[in-house]
Amino acid sequence: GAGVSQSPRYKVAKRGQDVALRCDPISGHVSLFWYQQALGQGPEFLTYFQNEAQLDKSGLPSDRFFAERPEGSVSTLKIQRTQQEDSAVYLCASSFGVAGELFFGEGSRLTVL
Amino acid sequence: SQQGEEDPQALSIQEGENATMNCSYKTSINNLQWYRQNSGRGLVHLILIRSNEREKHSGRLRVTLDTSKKSSSLLITASRAADTASYFCATVVDTGGFKTIFGAGTRLFVKA
Repeated sequence: GAGVSQSPRYKVAKRGQDVALRCDPISGHVSLFWYQQALGQGPEFLTYFQNEAQLDKSGLPSDRFFAERPEGSVSTLKIQRTQQEDSAVYLCASSFGVAGELFFGEGSRLTVL
Repeated sequence: SQQGEEDPQALSIQEGENATMNCSYKTSINNLQWYRQNSGRGLVHLILIRSNEREKHSGRLRVTLDTSKKSSSLLITASRAADTASYFCATVVDTGGFKTIFGAGTRLFVKA
């Protein structure tokens, strides 16, 4: 497709389960970002990649969160041993360059019971 | 962490009126962008203004940037009910790579 695609759109997990969220960026986009958005709040920066290099992961809340982009295209955000406070929408965005406009996916809504 | 803070947090106006949203930030930036988000959807880019620019227009949107005050404003003229959404400013900062950080947003409601 032409846009950023995220899957799954909705995920319900029991506390303690591991989850994996996938992001397919626009083809050829160099930069890829992950954000966490709580209800009524702005997107909180988690991490970003330039090609396959993870340049900044300072926003990851704990060592239970891990992101990868091994071939510089598709990215996966993994959350281990999910907690209720992990419930949020996880947004992925990509950009052709390094400081330009971001194109967002529709997000993956995670609910941890 | 969020670098930008929008003001007001919420704004309710009548159709046809102008809407002004403000954003303040803390550190030096490469550029500043504004995004719109409809409920339950992803964000859509509206406009980008570089750090050496002071004003930019796009259709009914006007953005200003004052780097000395570390602030920006977004003006939507002749608002429409369809402009109802959340609006976020985002600053791009050089941290060795370029990182885009969003503010908490302004929720705009335009009454028909």
